[in-house]
Amino acid sequence: GAVVSQHPSWVICKSGTSVKIECRSLDFQATTMFWYRQFPKQSLMLMATSNEGSKATYEQGVEKDKFLINHASLTLSTLTVTSAHPEDSSFYICSAIRAGAGTGELFFGEGSRLTVL
Amino acid sequence: AQSVTQLDSQVPVFEEAPVELRCNYSSSVSVYLFWYVQYPNQGLQLLLKYLSGSTLVESINGFEAEFNKSQTSFHLRKPSVHISDTAEYFCAVSRPSGNTPLVFGKGTRLSVIA
Repeated sequence: GAVVSQHPSWVICKSGTSVKIECRSLDFQATTMFWYRQFPKQSLMLMATSNEGSKATYEQGVEKDKFLINHASLTLSTLTVTSAHPEDSSFYICSAIRAGAGTGELFFGEGSRLTVL
Repeated sequence: AQSVTQLDSQVPVFEEAPVELRCNYSSSVSVYLFWYVQYPNQGLQLLLKYLSGSTLVESINGFEAEFNKSQTSFHLRKPSVHISDTAEYFCAVSRPSGNTPLVFGKGTRLSVIA
């Protein structure tokens, strides 16, 4: 089956630093990727939609300058948390749609847990 | 816009007993429906999905869900649960057309008791 890989799975950083999380579709091309955020014991909240070669579309309330999303190729999207603060600590999950397939062929990464000290 | 309601935040059940996790959705258009399972500190795993065709869909580990359009429901069932089924279960919905994101319910914590 299709595989989406996230890296790193765990990251601990100091407040004020920036952290980059990668989301890769390993065996398929993904024109669209989505980034979700999950707080402890809560559901997944959509942060942004990332389309290859264009600017990401952010959900209301998500700071685009805080959470920089780049989708430079058909197999890679990155989320950079800039000047991270403890309130940014969360579980970040990406998902990717197989190019040409639509939502029925959507695959999730394993997630990246960010802890900001 | 779509929305999903999972009526139970926690469901405790004894091992080998049946279980039903409820999911209702709201949408003005046709939908795709999904159930995902999440084990502690892990990502999401697709359990089963309804895209079209038969309204009853099954997973390889004994779960099934039935799409009921009139009741706008997609409840998840298993006739006999195991300890290993203890996890968080999320129901999700999306539009069939285009590259649209999934909208998730708040999740149901299934706890299987020995």
